[in-house]
Amino acid sequence: DQQVKQNSPSLSVQEGRISILNCDYTNSMFDYFLWYKKYPAEGPTFLISISSIKDKNEDGRFTVFLNKSAKHLSLHIVPSQPGDSAVYFCAAGTSGGSNYKLTFGKGTLLTVNP
Amino acid sequence: DGGITQSPKYLFRKEGQNVTLSCEQNLNHDAMYWYRQDPGQGLRLIYYSQIVNDFQKGDIAEGYSVSREKKESFPLTVTSAQKNPTAFYLCASSRGVREKLFFGSGTQLSVL
Repeated sequence: DQQVKQNSPSLSVQEGRISILNCDYTNSMFDYFLWYKKYPAEGPTFLISISSIKDKNEDGRFTVFLNKSAKHLSLHIVPSQPGDSAVYFCAAGTSGGSNYKLTFGKGTLLTVNP
Repeated sequence: DGGITQSPKYLFRKEGQNVTLSCEQNLNHDAMYWYRQDPGQGLRLIYYSQIVNDFQKGDIAEGYSVSREKKESFPLTVTSAQKNPTAFYLCASSRGVREKLFFGSGTQLSVL
């Protein structure tokens, strides 16, 4: 049962254009969401997060949008740069309960072409 | 520099052998985690520890064991009971639960 889904395994965009990476979740208890970026043979690095009390969070070129009613979030990268080429993981967690863990999606490989 | 150190970078296991992956952090984080990444599978949680001398099973704990005797260290043993150990293993830590994770650079384990 995949609770966090990234339905696009890959995405290719031109440098300077917008990249939109999508993520859907099924567990309504999730109230904290994060995006991580991963290069091959390296550990993921944190990009941006959003809690369920907000519908948008922005950090430089990166913006995350949350649509709770649709159980959907997206990461926008504007403008896209070749160095953004990596695998992007969406992750979700809950702020309540004694046992906490993040659930990750399978990732989307973003390729930004010069 | 503060960070998470995983060693070795590459590890080979023979049939029937137990191997231990090292994870050390100097971030003074309370919580530590082990994830496994397979191609096309994303990250799956093996074990996590919220505090010293305590740890919990994740989604795929069978065939693995951990210990948390020190705050800084969270070694993972891949036992001979793990029949498909070939994967990229990632250690992570966080200040506490519900905080963002910081990851190490990973260990690639392969079976000879």
